[in-house]
Amino acid sequence: SQQGEEDPQALSIQEGENATMNCSYKTSINNLQWYRQNSGRGLVHLILIRSNEREKHSGRLRVTLDTSKKSSSLLITASRAADTASYFCAANSGYSTLTFGKGTMLLVSP
Amino acid sequence: DVKVTQSSRYLVKRTGEKVFLECVQDMDHENMFWYRQDPGLGLRLIYFSYDVKMKEKGDIPEGYSVSREKKERFSLILESASTNQTSMYLCASSPRRTGGADGYTFGSGTRLTVV
Repeated sequence: SQQGEEDPQALSIQEGENATMNCSYKTSINNLQWYRQNSGRGLVHLILIRSNEREKHSGRLRVTLDTSKKSSSLLITASRAADTASYFCAANSGYSTLTFGKGTMLLVSP
Repeated sequence: DVKVTQSSRYLVKRTGEKVFLECVQDMDHENMFWYRQDPGLGLRLIYFSYDVKMKEKGDIPEGYSVSREKKERFSLILESASTNQTSMYLCASSPRRTGGADGYTFGSGTRLTVV
């Protein structure tokens, strides 16, 4: 089955810096979604970008989508220690199921 | 505040036991899902359901079954627990059948250890 793959696997930055995570997927999609998971907890939906969109913003989050390259990126601007979490991309290909990547672990140090 | 509630945060069961993991949502969502999450493997779909009494196999259904007798409740059953089923189990729901146009709402997860 198709799968999103995040890159890098782990990212360590200082507060105030920007964090960029990338995601690649294998087949055509209806939309791509990003989720956040705090340690040992469930996932929280952050943002969704549809296949006909190229960029979307939500607060400090910016998501881009390049369907020709089958890739997406999540940018978190002005990172805070509270942004420390794992981030997952999830591809939706037309049914209601999502296929998740393995995640990027983000550590934001004060 | 809308919720997906998983009945247990932590469970320890013995090999061979029948295990029930319960998930309840209060959002009147049609779709419900069970995933397991393992280090290095990400989230993998076990089973999902589009409606009451409906179920579909995901990517790794072997060793599991599900039950959806009521719209708000989706149960995952390990018929005979094995140590390789030690994992974090995540339940999720979403409001519509087509397009996946809405994000999932996840429960907090159940960390199951089979000894």
